[in-house]
Amino acid sequence: QVQLVESGGGVVQPGRSLRLSCVGSGFTFMDYGMLWVRQAPGKGLEWVSVIWFNGNDKYYADSVKGRFTISRDNSKNTVYLQINGLRAEDTAVYYCAREHSPFCGGDCGPDYWGQGTLVTVSS
Amino acid sequence: SYELTQSPSVSVSPGQTARITCSGDALPYKYTYWYLQKSGQAPVLVIYEDNKRPSGIPERFSGSTSGTVATLIISGAQVEDEADYYCFSTDSSGNHTRVFGGGTKLTVL
Repeated sequence: QVQLVESGGGVVQPGRSLRLSCVGSGFTFMDYGMLWVRQAPGKGLEWVSVIWFNGNDKYYADSVKGRFTISRDNSKNTVYLQINGLRAEDTAVYYCAREHSPFCGGDCGPDYWGQGTLVTVSS
Repeated sequence: SYELTQSPSVSVSPGQTARITCSGDALPYKYTYWYLQKSGQAPVLVIYEDNKRPSGIPERFSGSTSGTVATLIISGAQVEDEADYYCFSTDSSGNHTRVFGGGTKLTVL
């Protein structure tokens, strides 16, 4: 069965950096685009970033552009989210999710989600 | 930036039909996805590509799109359907920006 497991969250001081990881299993990882979605405490879902199955195309929400970097290592079935210059407003549960169709390369939404990793930005 | 608009809340009695709407300028051109999220849990896909239901999702869940409005329909809502519901789609400007609606709290009581 498809599983996604995030890690790397924690309590971080403002201005510091953090790298989140998400390992996928139960499917052919290299065939699927992957997304990061976050949810601040008590708030709705916010799309953060997507990387296409081939890793060549990456897109970001305006709110994180320039500070967040998405990447993937298909040999490790892992997608990463590098977060630099952390701010209080980045405090959220970060979910990774899989695009619902292989080789989507465009407009697919996520189907399977991990359980999320909590990032708390606080001094 | 592109936005999807949902009503904050919908309330129905058990057995009634719940309709949750999502409006966005690009919805005539881009697929809509729907997710439910219960407190403390990860979101679950209930409708993809406007009107398709993943395996394991009850038949009472359906979706439709007309013009700039997508609708999630829960026919004969059950108490266990009480959750937050989010729509998701893509900007049509070519920048591949994805977006969630603000969410709708469905109360069934």
